[in-house]
Amino acid sequence: SQTIHQWPATLVQPVGSPLSLECTVEGTSNPNLYWYRQAAGRGLQLLFYSVGIGQISSEVPQNLSASRPQDRQFILSSKKLLLSDSGFYLCAWSGRRSGGLIEKLFFGSGTQLSVL
Amino acid sequence: GESVGLHLPTLSVQEGDNSIINCAYSNSASDYFIWYKQESGKGPQFIIDIRSNMDKRQGQRVTVLLNKTVKHLSLQIAATQPGDSAVYFCAENGDSNYQLIWGAGTKLIIKP
Repeated sequence: SQTIHQWPATLVQPVGSPLSLECTVEGTSNPNLYWYRQAAGRGLQLLFYSVGIGQISSEVPQNLSASRPQDRQFILSSKKLLLSDSGFYLCAWSGRRSGGLIEKLFFGSGTQLSVL
Repeated sequence: GESVGLHLPTLSVQEGDNSIINCAYSNSASDYFIWYKQESGKGPQFIIDIRSNMDKRQGQRVTVLLNKTVKHLSLQIAATQPGDSAVYFCAENGDSNYQLIWGAGTKLIIKP
């Protein structure tokens, strides 16, 4: 069966420090991978998605970046965190329907990031 | 494809009653719809999905209804339990191959 691992669960970082959040998926190959952010009591904001190794699409211009060095590994990074980067970060994967259309997403357990 | 600027609407239901959570979807091209449950501090969990060639689909204690004429989706939870307390999100595929369009979410509160 497929599983998704996301770490760390919580992170407290000072403003201006770098960030690296990692996500790995097991039990599937060539998944679509996603990074979402969620503010407290709010909906889901898509940050990045990837349809293959080295292929990253950005949805929101900001000081975050994403990379996919391996098929089942997705990394969210920042060189210098801002206060506004605080939030709940979620990694997700999906398979693909015939014709390449999107399937349901499966989410990791999330990382609560507090930038102080 | 997100409604991130909206505060969550809330639905309060008596324990044991049925809950109905509604969602108005936006894209006429959508042919695939999903409901998620998100408990506090956790990632969203898949509940049930439905394709546009159906208007009803049932799972364990949950039913999803799709009305394509008025672009409306609903999630019915039978005999609501305390463990059903969560935020529920609907999502649609729109005309994208890679992204889902997310609803704002509804917070379900169970009254004892």
